[in-house]
Amino acid sequence: QVHLVQSGAEVKKPGASVNVSCKASGYTFTDYHMHWVRQAPGQGLEWMGRINPNNGATIYAQKFQGRVTMTRDTSISTAYMELSRLRSDDTAVFYCARDPVAAKDGMDVWGQGTTVTVSS
Amino acid sequence: SHELTQPPSVSVSPGQTARITCSGDLLSKQYSYWFQQKPGQAPVLVTYKDSERPSGIPERFSGSSSGTTVTLTISGVQAEDEADYYCQSADSSSTYWVFGGGTKLTVL
Repeated sequence: QVHLVQSGAEVKKPGASVNVSCKASGYTFTDYHMHWVRQAPGQGLEWMGRINPNNGATIYAQKFQGRVTMTRDTSISTAYMELSRLRSDDTAVFYCARDPVAAKDGMDVWGQGTTVTVSS
Repeated sequence: SHELTQPPSVSVSPGQTARITCSGDLLSKQYSYWFQQKPGQAPVLVTYKDSERPSGIPERFSGSSSGTTVTLTISGVQAEDEADYYCQSADSSSTYWVFGGGTKLTVL
């Protein structure tokens, strides 16, 4: 079975960084892009960017450029999302989701979400 | 522009048909995708490439596209379909992805 399992909840102070991991299992890690999506409390879904696990190439939404870094470790089938210079309005649930590199079949499997709370 | 517009809410009685629209210039050039999200849960893909349905998604969920508007249709709505629904697409080069603002479906 295909799973994406994310790291646990985090509490951070303003100005700090957070690193969220997403461990994939049940499929070939390099066959799928990994996307990251943010959802603030009571708000909609916001696409942050994606990484191609084959070569590490990244695309970031303009809103997050300069603050977000997406990486991967293919040896353990894990993707990471680091968000720096955290602000209170970064308090949100962060999801990872896969989508096929070679097809446009969409984000068909999602992680369970990681809650990040930014508070002084 | 890279925006997708959805109505904030749609209400329907059980057994009726719900239609949720999503509009934006992106949609005339790129595929659309629809996600269902229930409270406290991760989103679930319910349609892809405008009108395809992933395995395990009930047949009552269908998608369609016309110009710059796409529509998610839920036929014979059930109480369990009450959720937030989001459309999603990408810019013309498939570089930047975007979600609509979401529509809350209420089953009366």
